[in-house]
Amino acid sequence: GDSVTQMEGPVTLSEEAFLTINCTYTATGYPSLFWYVQYPGEGLQLLLKATKADDKGSNKGFEATYRKETTSFHLEKGSVQVSDSAVYFCALSRFSGGYQKVTFGTGTKLQVIP
Amino acid sequence: EPEVTQTPSHQVTQMGQEVILRCVPISNHLYFYWYRQILGQKVEFLVSFYNNEISEKSEIFDDQFSVERPDGSNFTLKIRSTKLEDSAMYFCASSSGETYNSPLHFGNGTRLTVT
Repeated sequence: GDSVTQMEGPVTLSEEAFLTINCTYTATGYPSLFWYVQYPGEGLQLLLKATKADDKGSNKGFEATYRKETTSFHLEKGSVQVSDSAVYFCALSRFSGGYQKVTFGTGTKLQVIP
Repeated sequence: EPEVTQTPSHQVTQMGQEVILRCVPISNHLYFYWYRQILGQKVEFLVSFYNNEISEKSEIFDDQFSVERPDGSNFTLKIRSTKLEDSAMYFCASSSGETYNSPLHFGNGTRLTVT
């Protein structure tokens, strides 16, 4: 079945450091890939997405490129801020049997210290 | 921007009691989902719902769970006889399903505490 593997957290960085959160996936067909973010006490919000190979999703300074050859969708940001502290979830989505199925990774907690 | 709303934000119940978690998906969305997240752990799929029936359910979604769309706006999750291990954050989500890559829109969740 489908699966998403994320790096273990928590990841602790100083403000303005470079961020990478690794994500790899296993799926049949051609899934879409997403990063969701969960701020403390809130639900999951879509951060960015990519729908086909070599697509780059970007939002709020975050980027991720859909790499089919390595089945990866690593999240990067050049300079993190304290306000980026949250849990980040990698996810894949595909249609199966006529409906959309979304599979999440385990989440990676990011802590940014001033 | 339209959003998914969930009520209540926090529900405390005693073991063995029935609970109903309520969700109002985005109005023009067609696909509905429930996920749960036990504190500090992964987001787990429970069930998906489309065209007034369950599309898929996980092994977590046993006979104690049921979902319903009683009218054109609400989408509910019922747990008939709660157990301690049902304590978790429950998230409702909806999607337009217009394309295969339509994102899910999540509510802020209901924290269920079973004592």
